[in-house]
Amino acid sequence: GAGVSQSPSNKVTEKGKDVELRCDPISGHTALYWYRQSLGQGLEFLIYFQGNSAPDKSGLPSDRFSAERTGGSVSTLTIQRTQQEDSAVYLCASSLVGQGNYEQYFGPGTRLTVT
Amino acid sequence: GENVEQHPSTLSVQEGDSAVIKCTYSDSASNYFPWYKQELGKRPQLIIDIRSNVGEKKDQRIAVTLNKTAKHFSLHITETQPEDSAVYFCAARGSSNTGKLIFGQGTTLQVKP
Repeated sequence: GAGVSQSPSNKVTEKGKDVELRCDPISGHTALYWYRQSLGQGLEFLIYFQGNSAPDKSGLPSDRFSAERTGGSVSTLTIQRTQQEDSAVYLCASSLVGQGNYEQYFGPGTRLTVT
Repeated sequence: GENVEQHPSTLSVQEGDSAVIKCTYSDSASNYFPWYKQELGKRPQLIIDIRSNVGEKKDQRIAVTLNKTAKHFSLHITETQPEDSAVYFCAARGSSNTGKLIFGQGTTLQVKP
């Protein structure tokens, strides 16, 4: 079946502009995660959704970052007033929940460049 | 806070040799430890995982071992091939109910033909 998809694949924006990144999880996966990967670094957790609610937002770096999920499916990560340090690859992952399902499957990511 | 340390950061081996990557974690309640392979410009791909109730798991040329007492786990790749060249990440599932993964910093593996 179809895997996790993300759009756009690349985004170049000017400092101070707002951006929206989209994630389409695997159909039926109720858990959705956003991670950030800076150049040459590991993945940093941002936010977790179970259904449409976000019980864990502890990784969001500042109040310029927000995310929502609608219909238990598509999620949007919004970064307001972008800064150069926001430049990174933003990865989305989805997972089944229950019965010990822990595997997370990643999308291809959105490469964000803030100039 | 929760932390995962990964070593080495880079590893170069000759084709056919074995490669070992090691990780330590801080949260003793962590119960799930996946390994991801990421080729340049591609998404991370799950290659093997292990749960806290198992000490070792093997899948063809790759194996993972877990020492809960010492809080460390390792990835072993035998008979390495050039196509094994990639960045490998270990991770630990946090003890919270969210299931978020805490990742190591990654190991760049180069297999020389």
